[in-house]
Amino acid sequence: QSVLTQPPSVSGAPGQRVTISCTGTYSNIGAAYDVNWYQQLPGTAPKLLIYDNTNRPSGVPGRFSGSKSGTSASLAITGLRAEDEGEYYCQSFDSSLSDWVFGGGTKLTVL
Amino acid sequence: EVPLVESGGGLVQPGGSLRLSCATSGFTFSNYAFHWVRQAPGKGLEYVSAITTSGTTTYYANFVQGRFTISRDNSKNTLYLQMGSLRPEDMAIYYCVRVLSGSNTDAFDIWGQGTMVTVSS
Repeated sequence: QSVLTQPPSVSGAPGQRVTISCTGTYSNIGAAYDVNWYQQLPGTAPKLLIYDNTNRPSGVPGRFSGSKSGTSASLAITGLRAEDEGEYYCQSFDSSLSDWVFGGGTKLTVL
Repeated sequence: EVPLVESGGGLVQPGGSLRLSCATSGFTFSNYAFHWVRQAPGKGLEYVSAITTSGTTTYYANFVQGRFTISRDNSKNTLYLQMGSLRPEDMAIYYCVRVLSGSNTDAFDIWGQGTMVTVSS
């Protein structure tokens, strides 16, 4: 059971927009700890997509965006492409556990 | 050039020990904090341990329970994870990850390719 809750799967057709939610509590996201997002394509190591809720590292396309409100955060992907298919994870810090925590991951399928 | 290269994984019996290494290149190692993150087969990501730039402060996930030690050698640009009293549930790919400078909750901007640890008799 992950501290941060993500939907197990989402899907969308090429060109569409999808969002992935990450729900926490008042000891992590709700405590003003920022959220980071990672993309893990099949057979590869994860890659940083979004940091500090909304920032994209150099090289990450503008199709990926992040937001945060209250105890939740979201990753939005617009203009969905076949190569976006993979697993997506959110990450933050939990003050009750004194641990960095990840969501359970969301599998994105491009139809 | 691959910035982070882990090594040291392998097959170990329950109760055994392993030392993972992460050789780094292409950046000033001593300027960055690092974590170890693991991923059990078919499962999600899990924080294991963290270390500050100087190595004077270390952090461990609750499940470690004194069994692992993270360390670094800034003269060799290398990160380590000494693991002992290994359990079957420790079986996973172990990733060495660099912390993005200035990120508020330690965003991991560079990941190694991972090294597999298998715990089985």
